[in-house]
Amino acid sequence: GAVVSQHPSWVICKSGTSVKIECRSLDFQATTMFWYRQFPKQSLMLMATSNEGSKATYEQGVEKDKFLINHASLTLSTLTVTSAHPEDSSFYICSAPDRDFTDTQYFGPGTRLTVL
Amino acid sequence: AQSVAQPEDQVNVAEGNPLTVKCTYSVSGNPYLFWYVQYPNRGLQFLLKYITGDNLVKGSYGFEAEFNKSQTSFHLKKPSALVSDSALYFCAVTPPAGGFKTIFGAGTRLFVKA
Repeated sequence: GAVVSQHPSWVICKSGTSVKIECRSLDFQATTMFWYRQFPKQSLMLMATSNEGSKATYEQGVEKDKFLINHASLTLSTLTVTSAHPEDSSFYICSAPDRDFTDTQYFGPGTRLTVL
Repeated sequence: AQSVAQPEDQVNVAEGNPLTVKCTYSVSGNPYLFWYVQYPNRGLQFLLKYITGDNLVKGSYGFEAEFNKSQTSFHLKKPSALVSDSALYFCAVTPPAGGFKTIFGAGTRLFVKA
């Protein structure tokens, strides 16, 4: 199956700093990628849809100026958490749909962000 | 509103016994249905999916799921549970319209006891 990687797998940062998380599709092209946030013992919350070559689409309630998304190529999307605060601490997961979006989603392994 | 329900937060089963993890959905049209599994501090792994055709779908690791259109359910099953099946299971639905965004259930934690 298709492989999606994320980097870093975990990061600890100080409050007020920015953190960039990369999501790569390793063996297929992804014009769209999804970014999720998962709180402990909870389901995945879709944050935004990353679109290659155009602006990301954010879900209601997600601050686009705080969670910057860039989909620079067909294999790379980045999520930057700007001016991070402790409440931004979470598990962030990206995914890329296979082919025509109606098929399986391939998930990255996730990034654990801890803001001190 | 479209939604996916997993009525059980946790399912406990003894190793070797059959297991069922329940999922019902409320989505208009004919959605695509998925099951994913998540191990601690990991991303989700695809188990199986239903798009069309036979209502019984077989997937990875011996899992299968049965689609029931009249009950709008897609329960995950396995004839004989293994301790290594212990994980968090998510039912997911991709509506046929509306941007192809996937809706996830809240997840069900499966504990298989030796």
